Amino acid sequence: NAGVTQTPKFRILKIGQSMTLQCTQDMNHNYMYWYRQDPGMGLKLIYYSVGAGITDKGEVPNGYNVSRSTTEDFPLRLELAAPSQTSVYFCASSYSKDRGNTEAFFGQGTRLTVV
Amino acid sequence: AQKVTQAQTEISVVEKEDVTLDCVYETRDTTYYLFWYKQPPSGELVFLIRRNSFDEQNEISGRYSWNFQKSTSSFNFTITASQVVDSAVYFCALSQDSSYKLIFGSGTRLLVRP
Repeated sequence: NAGVTQTPKFRILKIGQSMTLQCTQDMNHNYMYWYRQDPGMGLKLIYYSVGAGITDKGEVPNGYNVSRSTTEDFPLRLELAAPSQTSVYFCASSYSKDRGNTEAFFGQGTRLTVV
Repeated sequence: AQKVTQAQTEISVVEKEDVTLDCVYETRDTTYYLFWYKQPPSGELVFLIRRNSFDEQNEISGRYSWNFQKSTSSFNFTITASQVVDSAVYFCALSQDSSYKLIFGSGTRLLVRP
C-alpha cells in the first residue's frame, strides 16, 4: 500500500518553462488536494477535488491548473513558471468518515525551484 | 472568516521539559474538525490527532496530550518529558465545509536540546 505518491521529488525550472507535478493515491480516496509550503510558512491550498471530474480553486490558484480524470490521479500543471512558484508542493487525499473526513494523507512533497 | 493562529513561532526547551504548543482558531461553523501535524526535518507531514467540534474531551496518547476548549477556541498540544526526537515544526489545522480542505496555522518550530 503506497499511499500518496508524488513525482518528482525535486525539480529546477527556468522562468517561463512548464511542468506537471504528478500525484497518485491507491487508497480509493475521493478527496484530493494540492498545497504549497513556502519557507517558514504553513501550507496553503492551491486546488482541490471532491471526486473524479470535479475540481475547484483554493486560496492560491493563480499560475496553476489541475485535472481529475480518475479517482487515483490529481496532476498539478504549472504554466509559465515564475520565481514566486518556488516552493514545496504537497499532494494529499482523504475520505469521508463519521460525519466528516479523515485526516489528510500527504505525499512526500516536491521541492520546486524556479530560476 | 476561518483562521488558525499559532502565535509561538519557535520554542526551545531542554530535554525532559514539558512544553505546550498553542493553537487558536476562528470559525463561524458549529461543525468543524481540528488537527495537529508534525513536520520533522526530513519534511514529511505526520498526522497526530483529529478532533471534531462535538467532542471536547481531552486526549492523551503516550507523552502527547491535547486540550480542546470551545469557550476559548483553542486546541493546545502538550508534550510531556520532551525528547530530542520531538524537534520538528508542528502545525495546527482546521477543516469545516464539505470540501474538508485544511486551513493551516503558520506552525511552531520546537527545538529540544539535549
